[in-house]
Amino acid sequence: GENVEQHPSTLSVQEGDSAVIKCTYSDSASNYFPWYKQELGKGPQLIIDIRSNVGEKKDQRIAVTLNKTAKHFSLHITETQPEDSAVYFCAAEVRFGAGTRLTVKP
Amino acid sequence: DSGVTQTPKHLITATGQRVTLRCSPRSGDLSVYWYQQSLDQGLQFLIQYYNGEERAKGNILERFSAQQFPDLHSELNLSSLELGDSALYFCASSVGAGGQFFGPGTRLTVL
Repeated sequence: GENVEQHPSTLSVQEGDSAVIKCTYSDSASNYFPWYKQELGKGPQLIIDIRSNVGEKKDQRIAVTLNKTAKHFSLHITETQPEDSAVYFCAAEVRFGAGTRLTVKP
Repeated sequence: DSGVTQTPKHLITATGQRVTLRCSPRSGDLSVYWYQQSLDQGLQFLIQYYNGEERAKGNILERFSAQQFPDLHSELNLSSLELGDSALYFCASSVGAGGQFFGPGTRLTVL
């Protein structure tokens, strides 16, 4: 079945710096790659997604890139703020990575 | 607020028991997904329903079953509960294939 690897598992950055989270997947039939943010005590929240016919997508400070040939995709957060601190999950269709705990230090 | 509701918020029960978790999707969403989130397993996809029919199956145990009713709400039934079934159970919904909106979850504790 589908396997999604996510790195790093924890990431600490200074406010204003950029954060990058990377994921790889195994099923070449996957066409939909969402990213979710989960804050403590809440359910995951969709923050951005990308489909296989697109290589990059941007929404304000958040961008995703997809390399379908290499089967990897990444989340980029620029100008990080303390409120960006949360656990971020990548997914390929309904298969989720293990999560990255992002801490943004003021 | 995602628009997805789940009840109950917390559930404490004993091993061997059976429980039912309930989910109401966002208005207009036809797909419902169930996930299990535990500390050591991350978010595990269990099952998806679309407009009342089972659409996809993930790592769902035989002791677990689900259904989606004509009004599109869904129930996840967990039976012969074991200590290892203690986890957060999330329901999510979407219009079709695509971005999912997650509910607040049900925290199940099996003692």
